[in-house]
Amino acid sequence: DADVTQTPRNRITKTGKRIMLECSQTKGHDRMYWYRQDPGLGLRLIYYSFDVKDINKGEISDGYSVSRQAQAKFSLSLESAIPNQTALYFCATSDPFDSTQETQYFGPGTRLLVL
Amino acid sequence: SQKIEQNSEALNIQEGKTATLTCNYTNYSPAYLQWYRQDPGRGPVFLLLIRENEKEKRKERLKVTFDTTLKQSLFHITASQPADSATYLCALSTGGFKTIFGAGTRLFVKA
Repeated sequence: DADVTQTPRNRITKTGKRIMLECSQTKGHDRMYWYRQDPGLGLRLIYYSFDVKDINKGEISDGYSVSRQAQAKFSLSLESAIPNQTALYFCATSDPFDSTQETQYFGPGTRLLVL
Repeated sequence: SQKIEQNSEALNIQEGKTATLTCNYTNYSPAYLQWYRQDPGRGPVFLLLIRENEKEKRKERLKVTFDTTLKQSLFHITASQPADSATYLCALSTGGFKTIFGAGTRLFVKA
């Protein structure tokens, strides 16, 4: 079974709709991240969380919100979707006590299309 | 501003040859540099990490070098195989939480 799972894998929505992307992990890591990936651009950090009570904005947080329901679950919401939020979204985890410290473990991604 | 550059043009090589991918950065003093592999429609997968005080790291057919003076990392795949075809991402960490990813370079290995 995959260590980091994301649902849904694909989603089509309309402008103005609120949608939620979910991420679950079985790795037992405290740190979780949400990124978006656009063609020709690197992964860009939206939000990150170091534990259930700690949530921080990344470089492109406008238009997004997150919820860390438990150590294993981190959800990303688009409050009112717009077409330029069409992208591939990835959830990731990391363990600061891992010997490779900064290594990130990614989910399979959610492909979102906003019409 | 901080910047990571990877060759945006795809790299095409013949099976059995060595593939060399480049990652250049500016305005950074990274503590770690990582390389990830990404297949179409899938999440990146960690390959190798090299620290700022290390010059070279190897893992099976993979080799990474890290030159903090040139601000450059080279990623080598020796005896390349068609199964190595993928996009390879470079990522820099300054320590703590923040990791910055490059846009990646696509590699095609022809049989």
